[in-house]
Amino acid sequence: ILNVEQSPQSLHVQEGDSTNFTCSFPSSNFYALHWYRWETAKSPEALFVMTLNGDEKKKGRISATLNTKEGYSYLYIKGSQPEDSATYLCAFYNNAGNMLTFGGGTRLMVKP
Amino acid sequence: DAEITQSPRHKITETGRQVTLACHQTWNHNNMFWYRQDLGHGLRLIHYSYGVQDTNKGEVSDGYSVSRSNTEDLPLTLESAASSQTSVYFCASGRGSGRHNEQFFGPGTRLTVL
Repeated sequence: ILNVEQSPQSLHVQEGDSTNFTCSFPSSNFYALHWYRWETAKSPEALFVMTLNGDEKKKGRISATLNTKEGYSYLYIKGSQPEDSATYLCAFYNNAGNMLTFGGGTRLMVKP
Repeated sequence: DAEITQSPRHKITETGRQVTLACHQTWNHNNMFWYRQDLGHGLRLIHYSYGVQDTNKGEVSDGYSVSRSNTEDLPLTLESAASSQTSVYFCASGRGSGRHNEQFFGPGTRLTVL
């Protein structure tokens, strides 16, 4: 079983604040790293799939970076809005496995 | 529009009963997955399939089975439900190799085993 850690577990910010959180994964046998956004009472939705060391991806105010050599990815949200409140999940694929292993998620709450 | 659906959305059953949760997708994706979501554990993979007649065990497969007789459906069966299987179950699908491609999740089924 692969260990995928996310920190912090939860985060409260004010509207307009920028924030970031971390996903740590085994650096050996890296294949792909997924980020998902999961709103309460809904289903997870894909944000990014990242495969190359140094990858940077952006969707609106949300961006992500990937460091496969040291085994981490950062998710950044610029100018947080209340609608950004959700749990953000990362998930890791390695070379040997055929399945995504999810981290426990970071729960973001943005206060108006 | 293409979609992925799960049924039922809520189910209450008794210990020892057989339960089947349905998952249906209309994207014609080869890959389908079942996860369970529990507090403190995030999403954990139960079973997955990379095509018709292909099924594989995931991280927490004990007590569950799946079958893939067509592209669209991957039903999840609990042979003899246990209270430890009370959870929210999510089905997902994806195209291609799976590793480079995002997964699309269904709305979830909340199962309570009394």
